Amino acid sequence: ETGVTQSPTHLIKTRGQQVTLRCSSQSGHNTVSWYQQALGQGPQFIFQYYREEENGRGNFPPRFSGLQFPNYSSELNVNALELDDSALYLCASSLQGYGYTFGSGTRLTVV
Amino acid sequence: RKEVEQDPGPFNVPEGATVAFNCTYSNSASQSFFWYRQDCRKEPKLLMSVYSSGNEDGRFTAQLNRASQYISLLIRDSKLSDSATYLCVVTMDTGRRALTFGSGTRLQVQP
Repeated sequence: ETGVTQSPTHLIKTRGQQVTLRCSSQSGHNTVSWYQQALGQGPQFIFQYYREEENGRGNFPPRFSGLQFPNYSSELNVNALELDDSALYLCASSLQGYGYTFGSGTRLTVV
Repeated sequence: RKEVEQDPGPFNVPEGATVAFNCTYSNSASQSFFWYRQDCRKEPKLLMSVYSSGNEDGRFTAQLNRASQYISLLIRDSKLSDSATYLCVVTMDTGRRALTFGSGTRLQVQP
């Protein structure tokens, strides 16, 4: 059974640029959620995808968007990067919200 | 007011000590409750679910008080390997079941 894998592990971007983060869900899981974790804070829910549709969103602006593919993998896209977007981005897969498994995250630094 | 509030710590305790963490949540409709553990620069991992009847897993005991909207975690006989950040997590049993995290309590067990 493979776990959740995220890529890349680290990334440095310039303010105003766009970034795409990728996540492969755990085998048997059909739901992918994305979280942003700033330094010293708990993870904050960005959005969730089920059957290739967004079915829940946290308090994040529209420049945060995502996709889920037929194989349940997912992408998180962030446009017009801001310095405050620097954080650890965590992907979690689950079976419709049960049995969350987190990936090891992508650490994004915006300079 | 944050949806899930925790004392950030750090809690510095000697090996063998008993330590208790507390957490309060603001949404009375919250239905599921968890403690997650997060090691430095790693992803969160489920430590245990929390039930109204209380539950125990080895040295770890979790309690839920729905009337007070209060969750606790007790760690007995602390080990060096228990050093981590402990995250209190709640979710609502809607179709989405997104996880709402507290900011975490840092524990440092010292020899």
